[in-house]
Amino acid sequence: EIVMTQSPATLSVSPGERGTLSCRASQSVSSNLAWYQQKPGQAPRLLIYGASTRATGIPARFSGSGSGTEFSLIISSLQSEDFAVYYCHQYNNWPLTFGGGTKVEIK
Amino acid sequence: EVQLLESGGGLVQPGGSLRLSCAASGFTFTIFAMTWVRQAPGKGLEWVSSISATSGSIYYADSVKGRFTISRDNSKNTLYLQMNTLRAEDSAVYYCAKGTENKWWLFDYWGQGTLVTVSS
Repeated sequence: EIVMTQSPATLSVSPGERGTLSCRASQSVSSNLAWYQQKPGQAPRLLIYGASTRATGIPARFSGSGSGTEFSLIISSLQSEDFAVYYCHQYNNWPLTFGGGTKVEIK
Repeated sequence: EVQLLESGGGLVQPGGSLRLSCAASGFTFTIFAMTWVRQAPGKGLEWVSSISATSGSIYYADSVKGRFTISRDNSKNTLYLQMNTLRAEDSAVYYCAKGTENKWWLFDYWGQGTLVTVSS
């Protein structure tokens, strides 16, 4: 099983600042890596797939990078609606696995 | 507009059974793979089971293998999850998720979830 490790567990950021979230895979997942955003009481929403492609309707302030085992999600200027939990997900190997999540909170 | 509507959750005793349903609309259900993902209260996301468009490929997490059965009825645009021999650790919100055209196991739409509570 590929273990996905996200860091930090909690990221405290002021509105307007940049936030960088990391995700590490225990073995290569190529570029088959997605990022989801989840707000309290809501379903996850796809942000990034293929490690770096924004999903439909996702603002340009969200960007993804990486391949193999190291990935990043960058939010260039955090808006109030961006405070949420973010999960990475590898869809390269069975079983499919998710990271433990990074909570982005207001500093 | 893509819509996924889960139902069938509720309170069940340990060892009991439940059948979850996910009614799909707004897309051609018959050509997309579908998946169940769960989330225990206050915890992260856990993949449960996936099924290809034609039901030719089915996958289960080890934690549910032998107890859960995924299926779909393409004539009814509905995905199912039959859950037997339920345990306390199966308590979670269960989401159905739609695969994409090119990557079956990448999820572009999710339902709002249905809560399953296993408790005596």
